[in-house]
Amino acid sequence: DTGVSQNPRHKITKRGQNVTFRCDPISEHNRLYWYRQTLGQGPEFLTYFQNEAQLEKSRLLSDRFSAERPKGSFSTLEIQRTEQGDSAMYLCASSGFGAMNTEAFFGQGTRLTVV
Amino acid sequence: AQKITQTQPGMFVQEKEAVTLDCTYDTSDPSYGLFWYKQPSSGEMIFLIYQGSYDQQNATEGRYSLNFQKARKSANLVISASQLGDSAMYFCAMRPDSNYQLIWGAGTKLIIKP
Repeated sequence: DTGVSQNPRHKITKRGQNVTFRCDPISEHNRLYWYRQTLGQGPEFLTYFQNEAQLEKSRLLSDRFSAERPKGSFSTLEIQRTEQGDSAMYLCASSGFGAMNTEAFFGQGTRLTVV
Repeated sequence: AQKITQTQPGMFVQEKEAVTLDCTYDTSDPSYGLFWYKQPSSGEMIFLIYQGSYDQQNATEGRYSLNFQKARKSANLVISASQLGDSAMYFCAMRPDSNYQLIWGAGTKLIIKP
């Protein structure tokens, strides 16, 4: 088990371009979360999947953001028409079956810089 | 409103001393979980310890213990015998059982001095 894997680790893009990030959760985990973290702050929740179903989406997520988890395995987060305010660390986490309050395991994140 | 407050933006502690990181929370949910994570400069969030709201005993994991005072809505992290490798950002987080998302504090930057 290699833990939660995120790719790429770093992404620099020009304003207005689209970007896509990938998250591979721990293989037996059915729950997957995306968070965004700006410098000096705690993470902010973006969205949650249980298997392939997107069960919750933050109001912070504008229409430019979309996330998918086909077949309940890996997930992608796409940002369309990027803005400088999108610059942040995007964290993916997964957790397993059982009670809701099992710990979430995080990947190393994708750091996005919009120039 | 659901909220986590960490009042210590930064702390300096001498190596081998114990350190307490403060966390208070606010929720109207009767059932919830409290978490502490460590984030070194590499960026990965590392799970440290979990406390359930109905747990009678304070959680412990090795050098980490959670001082849970439910009436005061506090969940302080205690690190015993601090080490240089403990230098990192520490985040307190809460997840009410009625919700899927973790609610995070702003974090405390801990620096261990040799």
